Amino acid sequence: GAVVSQHPSRVICKSGTSVKIECRSLDFQATTMFWYRQFPKKSLMLMATSNEGSKATYEQGVEKDKFLINHASLTLSTLTVTSAHPEDSSFYICSARGGRTNTGELFFGEGSRLTVL
Amino acid sequence: GENVEQHPSTLSVQEGDSAVIKCTYSDSASNYFPWYKQELGKRPQLIIDIRSNVGEKKDQRIAVTLNKTAKHFSLHITETQPEDSAVYFCAPYGGATNKLIFGTGTLLAVQP
Repeated sequence: GAVVSQHPSRVICKSGTSVKIECRSLDFQATTMFWYRQFPKKSLMLMATSNEGSKATYEQGVEKDKFLINHASLTLSTLTVTSAHPEDSSFYICSARGGRTNTGELFFGEGSRLTVL
Repeated sequence: GENVEQHPSTLSVQEGDSAVIKCTYSDSASNYFPWYKQELGKRPQLIIDIRSNVGEKKDQRIAVTLNKTAKHFSLHITETQPEDSAVYFCAPYGGATNKLIFGTGTLLAVQP
């Protein structure tokens, strides 16, 4: 299957700082990428959909100024958590869909665990 | 938007027994029905999927059945093993929106 790489896998930061998480599709071009957030023992909640070359589409309740998403190329999407606070601590996972056919199958990154002190 | 629910939320079985998890969805336009397995702290892994033109699909100990009329599909695991213990998510796709919405999740515990 296709490979999606996410970095960093773990990050600890102080409250008020910004953190950037990268998501790369290594062996295919990802026209669409999705960012999910997962709290302990909960499901994956879709935060936003990013399409290469256009603005991300945010889900209801997700602050676009808080969670900046950039999808500047077909192999890279970034999520920046701005002015992070302890309540932003979570597991963030990116996923990508690409290839010739839109089968719906998603390829996931390894996830990034953010801890805000 | 799509409303996706799973039942049960937790399931405990003895090793060797079968496990069944049901996923109900609201978007009748959905046409792709995957099941993901997620171990603690790791990414979801696709374990089986089915498309709307098929009613059942089997892969060794894992099977998925689909009832489009009733808008639900189920994951069946036979001869369960301790390594099957994980959280399982359904994520029906293909409706009006171009996004995968995950179900509420089912924690499966297989007791040795």
